[in-house]
Amino acid sequence: ETGVTQTPRHLVMGMTNKKSLKCEQHLGHNAMYWYKQSAKKPLELMFVYSLEERVENNSVPSRFSPECPNSSHLFLHLHTLQPEDSALYLCASSQDRSGFAETQYFGPGTRLLVL
Amino acid sequence: EDQVTQSPEALRLQEGESSSLNCSYTVSGLRGLFWYRQDPGKGPEFLFTLYSAGEEKEKERLKATLTKKESFLHITAPKPEDSATYLCAVQTTGNQFYFGTGTSLTVIP
Repeated sequence: ETGVTQTPRHLVMGMTNKKSLKCEQHLGHNAMYWYKQSAKKPLELMFVYSLEERVENNSVPSRFSPECPNSSHLFLHLHTLQPEDSALYLCASSQDRSGFAETQYFGPGTRLLVL
Repeated sequence: EDQVTQSPEALRLQEGESSSLNCSYTVSGLRGLFWYRQDPGKGPEFLFTLYSAGEEKEKERLKATLTKKESFLHITAPKPEDSATYLCAVQTTGNQFYFGTGTSLTVIP
């Protein structure tokens, strides 16, 4: 595997289900991100992990819970979601180099549908 | 307020008809500006990183330029396979990332 991978690629869940999204990066990076992409809206940054520590949480509802067990893996745990949470969830990674621009590399995304 | 605006929202070109996409930004301090290509149902694919005004980068039919207020993505003699949504993003000196809503490009054979 190369680059950034995400599983599953598609997910349909009911509002009472619990599911998890998985992201793995094979680029040797030390920062990982979760984004939400909805139609006609800019990518929304949800969570940032740098060196396995959460550094940003942009007022994301508690029904989304991230986990970063090591620098290569990132999870997004989902619980009691709402239909408006249906979107493409993207994972990205970058090399965090203080003072320099960090190019983010994205995975293919998980298309989530909440019924 | 930091923001990124892309125009036009959609663009249709005949094959071989060159054009430019615009990304205007207003940020307190720029660390870098990024261009991505996104195909339907896929994640954004990295194209370019620009760091300072006056910088230019090229890749095949694409050329990205940067000024203090905006960036252009020039597409020379596009082909149908260039059809995609092109996203612009900025990283601020405060380590915030802002994305535009993208330009949907369609190249007609």
